[in-house]
Amino acid sequence: QSALTQPPSVSGSPGQSVTISCTGTSSDVGSYNRVSWYQQPPGTAPKLLIYEVNNRPSGVPDRFSGSKSGNTASLTISGLQAEDEADYYCSLYTNNRGVVFGGGTKLTVL
Amino acid sequence: QVQLQESGPGLVKPSQTLSLTCSVSGGSISSGGYYWSWIRQHPGKGLEWIGYIYYSGSTYYNPSLKSRVTISADTSKNQFSLKLSSVTAADTAVYYCARAPLIGTCDYWGQGILVTVSS
Repeated sequence: QSALTQPPSVSGSPGQSVTISCTGTSSDVGSYNRVSWYQQPPGTAPKLLIYEVNNRPSGVPDRFSGSKSGNTASLTISGLQAEDEADYYCSLYTNNRGVVFGGGTKLTVL
Repeated sequence: QVQLQESGPGLVKPSQTLSLTCSVSGGSISSGGYYWSWIRQHPGKGLEWIGYIYYSGSTYYNPSLKSRVTISADTSKNQFSLKLSSVTAADTAVYYCARAPLIGTCDYWGQGILVTVSS
């Protein structure tokens, strides 16, 4: 059982927006900002999309955005494209537990 | 462009030690403030952080694996390594090495190597 809870699956049509949640507690997500998001297409290594809640590495399209409210962090993908179909993982670093990942969310583009 | 490549046996017997090496090109593991990390993914499952070695040589391990894990570095070869002792079938996974400028923020990843624990 993952320390961070993500929905197993989400879906959306091309051009739409989807949001993937990552829920923890007041002791982890609610207290720390070292939240990252990764995209993992089938059979490939994860790719960093977002770090420190809402920062994008260079080269990541601005269709991908991150946010946090209370004990829940979120990844929003706007203008969905077929190539966005993948598994998405959140992660959190805390100084007492190290790095924990969410269970992952499978995004299907309809 | 930084590149990482995992190498090691794809099959390990139960109770033995899993040993993997990550070769880094395009950057030195001994310069800059990076955390050289290992992450694994059980077949069809999510990601699990194993630990890191900092460029200074300090290490930090997942508490759930700490008693069995050792991460070390060979700066002369620009490599870092993972050893996981007393393996069982539950350690069967794809093992990734990665570079992290911040702990838990991995910006470059290896392609991953599948390690199967079986007799």
